[in-house]
Amino acid sequence: NAGVTQTPKFRVLKTGQSMTLLCAQDMNHEYMYWYRQDPGMGLRLIHYSVGEGTTAKGEVPDGYNVSRLKKQNFLLGLESAAPSQTSVYFCASSYDPASGGIRNQYFGPGTRLLVL
Amino acid sequence: AQTVTQSQPEMSVQEAETVTLSCTYDTSESNYYLFWYKQPPSRQMILVIRQEAYKQQNATENRFSVNFQKAAKSFSLKISDSQLGDTAMYFCAFEPAGANNLFFGTGTRLTVIP
Repeated sequence: NAGVTQTPKFRVLKTGQSMTLLCAQDMNHEYMYWYRQDPGMGLRLIHYSVGEGTTAKGEVPDGYNVSRLKKQNFLLGLESAAPSQTSVYFCASSYDPASGGIRNQYFGPGTRLLVL
Repeated sequence: AQTVTQSQPEMSVQEAETVTLSCTYDTSESNYYLFWYKQPPSRQMILVIRQEAYKQQNATENRFSVNFQKAAKSFSLKISDSQLGDTAMYFCAFEPAGANNLFFGTGTRLTVIP
């Protein structure tokens, strides 16, 4: 049981390049989330998904897109990277509270992204 | 708007001693959840303890306990018998019931001194 995994662990991009971050979970969770963590700040929600095929915006969605084609995977895309997107990105997953599961978010190890 | 404030950017404690980390939050919601997460140098976010707002009893997990004061909107974390492995950033987080967003504070860096 690997929990929540993220690929890659570290990436350097040039301004204007695109990339996709992959999050995978093996806990059969319905909900998945993408956060970013900047120095001196807590995590902030970018996008989230409440089930396969659904996505929704969080606090800071601009410049990002997401897709949830499979229940276990949640992809975060940067179409045209900017230096302001330099950050550590965390994926998380949780049960749907309506299912009776405990609504704790379980986090992946993070992806460090540097945009030059 | 939901805000979470951690007013202690850094704290230190001697090994085996007790330390309390402070957290206050602002919300108009009546039902919500509160969490403390630990982030060691590995960057992994680890859930330490959670509290449901409708429960009056303070949550406890081994050496970790909380003091939840709903009227004061305060949620402090007490770590007893501090260990070197407790050295980490600690984040307080708030989630309104039915929402899909954790609101985080800015964190407190705790150092346990041998």
